[in-house]
Amino acid sequence: EPEVTQTPSHQVTQMGQEVILRCVPISNHLYFYWYRQILGQKVEFLVSFYNNEISEKSEIFDDQFSVERPDGSNFTLKIRSTKLEDSAMYFCASSFGQTNGYTFGSGTRLTVV
Amino acid sequence: LAKTTQPISMDSYEGQEVNITCSHNNIATNDYITWYQQFPSQGPRFIIQGYKTKVTNEVASLFIPADRKSSTLSLPRVSLSDTAVYYCLVGAIYNQGGKLIFGQGTELSVKP
Repeated sequence: EPEVTQTPSHQVTQMGQEVILRCVPISNHLYFYWYRQILGQKVEFLVSFYNNEISEKSEIFDDQFSVERPDGSNFTLKIRSTKLEDSAMYFCASSFGQTNGYTFGSGTRLTVV
Repeated sequence: LAKTTQPISMDSYEGQEVNITCSHNNIATNDYITWYQQFPSQGPRFIIQGYKTKVTNEVASLFIPADRKSSTLSLPRVSLSDTAVYYCLVGAIYNQGGKLIFGQGTELSVKP
């Protein structure tokens, strides 16, 4: 079964540092997403990406965040200057179309110290 | 997006059928109902999706009454590995972006 692959599985960074979380979506999928889940809380939508541009973003996705699909296979989330409250599991997801289920990756656990 | 209400937690035993009901009184005409499963420290996993009546796949069944104001996820003969959080999501996911709005979900605990 095709998978969404995320790297690294765990990243520890110092406050104020930049981090890049990487994702390889399923190859024939057209829609890409980032979600996050703070420990013990709900899964929250961050951003969706289609046709090489952001389709929608949440209030969480402020100027510190950016996404990129640099080479047609990878999909990255960059946090420019991490804060303690950015500590969470970050999930990448992709879908082929709007009426298909989404496939999520296993996540990157980001710990900001 | 329609608000959903589902039980916070449920307990079951191995081999039993588990039914998790979700209320979505404000569901719109073009909304689909989708269920996801999440194990600890993993991403949500799509289980099943439907619009009306009954949908069945190799994992679960989804029952949707005619008024579509609720839905029931049915897991036949659960095992310990079905212990997870189950999310009911309702939305018109064929709009651009198609973000998913997760609630707190139902924490299912399957005991031996």
